[in-house]
Amino acid sequence: GQNIDQPTEMTATEGAIVQINCTYQTSGFNGLFWYQQHAGEAPTFLSYNVLDGLEEKGRFSSFLSRSKGYSYLLLKELQMKDSASYLCAVLSGGSYIPTFGRGTSLIVHP
Amino acid sequence: DAGVTQSPTHLIKTRGQQVTLRCSPKSGHDTVSWYQQALGQGPQFIFQYYEEEERQRGNFPDRFSGHQFPNYSSELNVNALLLGDSALYLCASSPGSGSGGEQYFGPGTRLTVT
Repeated sequence: GQNIDQPTEMTATEGAIVQINCTYQTSGFNGLFWYQQHAGEAPTFLSYNVLDGLEEKGRFSSFLSRSKGYSYLLLKELQMKDSASYLCAVLSGGSYIPTFGRGTSLIVHP
Repeated sequence: DAGVTQSPTHLIKTRGQQVTLRCSPKSGHDTVSWYQQALGQGPQFIFQYYEEEERQRGNFPDRFSGHQFPNYSSELNVNALLLGDSALYLCASSPGSGSGGEQYFGPGTRLTVT
């Protein structure tokens, strides 16, 4: 089976930087996704990491270390609209189906 | 280009009843996956349909069944509803290449069982 761990909730200030961590234990790792989900809405794709290192996309960056079973999502220049749940999801074992963590609820305050 | 659409948006049912939820995939996608998301949890995989057949199934009882039509749209059926079936049901579509790439989610159907 798989075990994916994320903090339940984080708070940050508008304009600041926040790092959301995700650790996983799995066999046959094939990739890791980050999704953003606003309350009552569908998850939307943010990033996909397969190889170690940092992938930057505008204000959002995602990092992966396969040897440590660790990823983080870095959000810069936080805006109020970034308040949402951030879901880490792992592909493994030859499956095409990602397994989702419980999500981290990020609250951005003025 | 329409994204993934789902109907209905909200639904209220009574324990023991049956429900059918519908999903139309994003244009050009032929693979549909269904997820159940309880409040405060991540989406839990129910099953995936490709070429009108169930390709993979998660850890859900047989009360949960599905279907995919020739136009790639899909239905999720749940029989003998339980209170614990109350959740947001998400449909996601992807190309059928099996690459495990990005999935596009629909807005979901909020099911309440009383």
